[in-house]
This record gives sequence, C-alpha cells and structure tokens, in this order.
Amino acid sequence: GQNIDQPTEMTATEGAIVQINCTYQTSGFNGLFWYQQHAGEAPTFLSYNVLDGLEEKGRFSSFLSRSKGYSYLLLKELQMKDSASYLCAVREGRGSTLGRLYFGRGTQLTVWP
Amino acid sequence: SAVISQKPSRDICQRGTSLTIQCQVDSQVTMMFWYRQQPGQSLTLIATANQGSEATYESGFVIDKFPISRPNLTFSTLTVSNMSPEDSSIYLCSVGGSGTLSYEQYFGPGTRLTVT
Repeated sequence: GQNIDQPTEMTATEGAIVQINCTYQTSGFNGLFWYQQHAGEAPTFLSYNVLDGLEEKGRFSSFLSRSKGYSYLLLKELQMKDSASYLCAVREGRGSTLGRLYFGRGTQLTVWP
Repeated sequence: SAVISQKPSRDICQRGTSLTIQCQVDSQVTMMFWYRQQPGQSLTLIATANQGSEATYESGFVIDKFPISRPNLTFSTLTVSNMSPEDSSIYLCSVGGSGTLSYEQYFGPGTRLTVT
C-alpha cells in the first residue's frame, strides 16, 4: 500500500523561498512526482525524481532520498501566481503495471504580497 | 508533452443515469489512466486502461460501476454508471510512458461531474 504525507497548508511572502516536504511508504517505488494544481484546473507536471539527489528546473527544485522515503519541493523567488496546491505523488510498478501514481492530499500554498 | 483532451468538460446529471467521458491524446501512448478528484480532496487512481484487454481496477473500484474502454493507443472512455451524488467529482485522464518522455505523466483538463 501507500502512505504519502505532506503538510496541509503553508504560507510565505513574495520573493521568499519555501520548502514543501513529502514522506512516503510504498512498495515497488518507481519515481516521485510533484504537480502544481490551481483551483478548478488539472494538475500540471513540475518535476520527477527516481534517483537520490536534487533536480533543479528554474525556480523549482525537487529532492529525493529513497532510503528515508523523503522528498521536498523547493520554490525560490516566490510569486503571487505560485499560490496553488502542490501534490506529491509516488509511482509504483514495473513493466505492464508501470505508471500508477498515488497522491498525497496536497499542500495548499498561499503567497502574500 | 502529449496534448490531452476530454469530453465533456462538465455535466450535471440526475441520479440513476450514466455518463461516458472521452479522453483523446494527440499521440500514441503506452499507458492511460483514469483518476477521480472529489471536492477538496487529492487524486485517486480508479484504473489503468489497457489497450486490447480489460482495464485493471484499483481497490474500491469495480468494472460494473466504472466500465472503461481502450480501443487504440490514443483514445479511452470511462463510464460512470448508475450515478449517485457521491459520484460528483472531477474525473481526469492521465497518460505516460511515451518514448523519450516515458518518465513524465500528464493530465487532461478533467471532466467536472455534478450528480443531483
């Protein structure tokens, strides 16, 4: 089964840095995803980690430690438009079952001016 | 990235009826999935849509309630049968496993269903 945990809410100010943590317990781990979801819209792919370490993509970075079952999403130079829900998702499976994603409950980030 | 479209984008249905949601992708993809997002909740995987064979359902979801078709590598349908108000959700199609971008997974725009 899966047990994916992330904070429910976070707040930060414009220009700041925020780190959203995600812990997981799962079998057949095959990658960790972060998605951004604005209210009323579909999730948008942000990042993917399958090996330990940091992946940087512009203002967003994602880190993974498989031995600790831990990931974080780092958002730098926060902008008002970054206010959204951030979803941590773990992928399980191999071969024909590859691709099933299991989601945490999401972290609602509010960015204040 | 793959471009995914869904029809309808939203619908209001009466209890006891059924609705079929279509998912179309602009390229051939290996994996297609259906998710549900209930109000204020995160996404829950319903099933994997397998091309040429029966869908694989997650615990808590059954074929009689959510029949799925996948006739080819670019198209799938999800039917929500005998609807009740508890089925009011956003239903999302997701694709992945395509070529060099096989590590990425994308979501369609979703179908917002309200059951009265």
